[in-house]
Amino acid sequence: DIQMTQSPSTLSASLGDRFTITCRASQSVSTWLAWFQQKPGKAPKLLIFKASNLQSGVPSRFSGSGSGTEFTLTISSLQPDDFATYYCLQYNFYPYTFGQGTKLEIK
Amino acid sequence: DVQLVESGGGLGQPGGSLRLSCAVSGFTVRSNYMSWVRQAPGKRLEWVSSIHDDGRTHSADSVQGRFTISRDDSKNSLYLQMNSLRPDDTGVYYCVRQASGFDYWGQGALVTVSS
Repeated sequence: DIQMTQSPSTLSASLGDRFTITCRASQSVSTWLAWFQQKPGKAPKLLIFKASNLQSGVPSRFSGSGSGTEFTLTISSLQPDDFATYYCLQYNFYPYTFGQGTKLEIK
Repeated sequence: DVQLVESGGGLGQPGGSLRLSCAVSGFTVRSNYMSWVRQAPGKRLEWVSSIHDDGRTHSADSVQGRFTISRDDSKNSLYLQMNSLRPDDTGVYYCVRQASGFDYWGQGALVTVSS
């Protein structure tokens, strides 16, 4: 199985900060990588698909990059609605696997 | 509008069975890859099973032989038959469309396995 490792696991940041999460795969997943935002008690929301494609309706302050084994999600300027938990997912090979999550907290 | 509405969750006995349903509107289930994803309390998301448009299915090792994903094209619905339930199957189960990543999610169905 492909292991997905996110860093950091938790981050405290302030409004307006630039925020970057890294997701590393234990083997290449090409660009079959998605990013999700999840708030407590809610279903995940797709932000980025195929590593760098912004899902319709998602603000342009979100961006994704990478290929192979290393990927990043960046929020250019944190807004109040962005404080949540973020997950990466590889969907190149079964079993599909998620990262352990990155919780973004307000400083 | 796209809607995925799960039902059938609840309390299950260890060794027992439950069947989750996902009623879909706004797109055709048979034309899409569909998946079930679960999340145990306080844990990461976990992919459970997928069904392709051609009917091929894939499941995680943790549920292989116990859970079966299926669909009913006439009802435009997705199902997850869960047998031989274990306490570590407890969690929220989401029905998901697997297009452009996993783009549409249901609200989730809570499954609790306990005696």
